[in-house]
Amino acid sequence: LAKTTQPISMDSYEGQEVNITCSHNNIATNDYITWYQQFPSQGPRFIIQGYKTKVTNEVASLFIPADRKSSTLSLPRVSLSDTAVYYCLVASSGGSYIPTFGRGTSLIVHP
Amino acid sequence: EADIYQTPRYLVIGTGKKITLECSQTMGHDKMYWYQQDPGMELHLIHYSYGVNSTEKGDLSSESTVSRIRTEHFPLTLESARPSHTSQYLCASSEYFAGGTEAFFGQGTRLTVV
Repeated sequence: LAKTTQPISMDSYEGQEVNITCSHNNIATNDYITWYQQFPSQGPRFIIQGYKTKVTNEVASLFIPADRKSSTLSLPRVSLSDTAVYYCLVASSGGSYIPTFGRGTSLIVHP
Repeated sequence: EADIYQTPRYLVIGTGKKITLECSQTMGHDKMYWYQQDPGMELHLIHYSYGVNSTEKGDLSSESTVSRIRTEHFPLTLESARPSHTSQYLCASSEYFAGGTEAFFGQGTRLTVV
């Protein structure tokens, strides 16, 4: 299973774009990159998943370069409610995959 | 919206008591998981199941046990609670087949052992 590395914490201000980069040098050919968001005292919530290039949904965008050794979660125009921990996971395409979470990135959005 | 439920949400219990944390999902997912998380810390996988009659221990050693008699139900039991078991316990489920499918989490049970 590919190990991921992401910053422990980040600070931003309302209205700014936030980019959180995750390194996954040992990603396998059939692995996906998945991001979760966790608010205090709640379980994580899936926000986006991608395999290569760019994926966008109503919450975020995910940029994955051609070598797939890293990925960047982009949150446009953050608000105070985006303050949360963001986890990057490399998800095996095999049926036996078990989600394993690291420390994640604690994002604090300031007024 | 995720259809996975945990009860109770909060539990304060005395040392030595036996407790069962309930987790149920209505999505028909084969895979289910239990994670333990202390405030501000990472999630640790303590148990998982691939389906009925399948249970495995996770990365973090835990004195708890689990059972999977029905697809929708994955309870966690502590035979004798201790203050060191104080933590938040999160249950999750996902589909079995390939594709990096997302995991759906319950709201969690915050356990305090006094």
